[in-house]
Amino acid sequence: AQSVTQLDSQVPVFEEAPVELRCNYSSSVSVYLFWYVQYPNQGLQLLLKYLSGSTLVKGINGFEAEFNKSQTSFHLRKPSVHISDTAEYFCAVESGGSYIPTFGRGTSLIVHP
Amino acid sequence: KAGVTQTPRYLIKTRGQQVTLSCSPISGHRSVSWYQQTPGQGLQFLFEYFSETQRNKGNFPGRFSGRQFSNSRSEMNVSTLELGDSALYLCASSSGQSYGYTFGSGTRLTVV
Repeated sequence: AQSVTQLDSQVPVFEEAPVELRCNYSSSVSVYLFWYVQYPNQGLQLLLKYLSGSTLVKGINGFEAEFNKSQTSFHLRKPSVHISDTAEYFCAVESGGSYIPTFGRGTSLIVHP
Repeated sequence: KAGVTQTPRYLIKTRGQQVTLSCSPISGHRSVSWYQQTPGQGLQFLFEYFSETQRNKGNFPGRFSGRQFSNSRSEMNVSTLELGDSALYLCASSSGQSYGYTFGSGTRLTVV
């Protein structure tokens, strides 16, 4: 079975500050990992994904994430956030053989001016 | 290319009624999945269709059903609506495992 834990339900931060949104997963087999963003009244949009290879993956809007197998983590980072980054962020895991990703409960990123 | 299109965007229904939601995936995507999103439960998987066959199913009662047509368009149906069915229903299409989903904007269902 696979599971995802997003450790923070809400992360407030000031504009231009760095941010890290934490995600830990649990799976007994190899995994694919994803981060999605959801803006108000919209569906989810894929930010980035880790399949294999380099543990540091870069996505859209200046976001990046690092896969750490020993700590079973896939934290999302951005060096300098903007007001427009205010949204809900979801981490998801797909395990080998399962076509269905499991989503975390989401982290609300709130960027203050 | 066009994204995933869900219709309608908003619906208000009365308890006991039934509802049908529609989803048109990205052209070429054969896998269509449905999720229910609520503040209390987060994103919960309903079912996945691939080439007109239900390939995976979540833990929802039989009142929730779906189908997929030969052009990959999908519909989901909820019968005998309950207040707790009020949610954002999201459709997502994919070209395969590990590619990630493309989501539609959702259908906001309110049951009164």
